[in-house]
Amino acid sequence: NAGVTQTPKFQVLKTGQSMTLQCAQDMNHEYMSWYRQDPGMGLRLIHYSVGAGITDQGEVPNGYNVSRSTTEDFPLRLLSAAPSQTSVYFCASSRARGPQETQYFGPGTRLLVL
Amino acid sequence: GENVEQHPSTLSVQEGDSAVIKCTYSDSASNYFPWYKQELGKRPQLIIDIRSNVGEKKDQRIAVTLNKTAKHFSLHITETQPEDSAVYFCAANLNRDDKIIFGKGTRLHILP
Repeated sequence: NAGVTQTPKFQVLKTGQSMTLQCAQDMNHEYMSWYRQDPGMGLRLIHYSVGAGITDQGEVPNGYNVSRSTTEDFPLRLLSAAPSQTSVYFCASSRARGPQETQYFGPGTRLLVL
Repeated sequence: GENVEQHPSTLSVQEGDSAVIKCTYSDSASNYFPWYKQELGKRPQLIIDIRSNVGEKKDQRIAVTLNKTAKHFSLHITETQPEDSAVYFCAANLNRDDKIIFGKGTRLHILP
């Protein structure tokens, strides 16, 4: 199993540009989530999904969209990038329908918005 | 809103000594409390978790204690080693939602 994969590893955007961060898992996990990590702020939940076709907002959802058309994929879309979205983004998945089991994190995407 | 507070933000201990990291949570319905370790440049990885039906759990040099009445839980690392140097995050679920909320992390330095 590849586990949780994320692409790209690193991205530079200009303010106002849009892009999609890709996340995929091959473990048939129900629960998937997106976090952003900023210095001194820990891991903050952006959006999450308890299964295909179901998504919901986390702590910091503004400026981001998600969809879950398949169990495997959970892309994160930045609609109009802003410098405040400069961060490291982690995708995670867990077996259960909720987060009450081990979450497996992807390797992260480092995003710089100029 | 609901949150998880974590202390201290930085901790330095001599190799071989013990380290303790403490967290408090606000949602009295929380029932799952994981701890993640993140080494420099790497992804977070689960090291231990505890559910609200137990008060303590151990795994070799690592233990977690939970006080539901006071709404706090702690990570204990004994006989610390250089490879324990990392950032540690506590977390708690919000029981009415399918969310996990993380603390802001503790950077642990093991001194030679």
